[in-house]
Amino acid sequence: DTEVTQTPKHLVMGMTNKKSLKCEQHMGHRAMYWYKQKAKKPPELMFVYSYEKLSINESVPSRFSPECPNSSLLNLHLHALQPEDSALYLCASSPQTSSLYNEQFFGPGTRLTVL
Amino acid sequence: AQSVTQPDIHITVSEGASLELRCNYSYGATPYLFWYVQSPGQGLQLLLKYFSGDTLVQGIKGFEAEFKRSQSSFNLRKPSVHWSDAAEYFCAVASNSGYALNFGKGTSLLVTP
Repeated sequence: DTEVTQTPKHLVMGMTNKKSLKCEQHMGHRAMYWYKQKAKKPPELMFVYSYEKLSINESVPSRFSPECPNSSLLNLHLHALQPEDSALYLCASSPQTSSLYNEQFFGPGTRLTVL
Repeated sequence: AQSVTQPDIHITVSEGASLELRCNYSYGATPYLFWYVQSPGQGLQLLLKYFSGDTLVQGIKGFEAEFKRSQSSFNLRKPSVHWSDAAEYFCAVASNSGYALNFGKGTSLLVTP
């Protein structure tokens, strides 16, 4: 299994809702990432988990809350989002983070719309 | 900090024509470089990567890239483009921390009949 899966594919939520995005990989990778991508822009790194511990938080607002329950699973909990948070949210994984051989495998993304 | 620049925002080629997408890197030592492709509404797919060794790298879908230290470039090429190659192409370089990929702004490829 060489893929990263993400659910849901699409999500529409109001500003008062609480929702979660899910990401899963079964490649034995020990690093997992959340990226945010706006239209016509490159992905922007949000969070990095290494060995199930949060390693990097790129100054992301607290309305985004990541969670890594185990080495295969990564969640992104959403609460009180703003319309400008509407974007494609991409999950990625890589064998490790402690090396520059950092080939990342991306999931298909969740298209999030905040009303 | 390591960074890459993609000078072309849009490229239009005819189906069957050759393609070259440009990527320039900024890094003193040997960079670790990647090309990703993204179809509309999809995630990123790795086309190829360069870490060391042979400067001509073969990737998937008939793509190749050549690392040229003298020109600080890592251009992506394909001899004959297919309509299905229309997509957004991102060049990326691994950051020193090992955590992040620093992406270029992307080149949008349009393929005409």
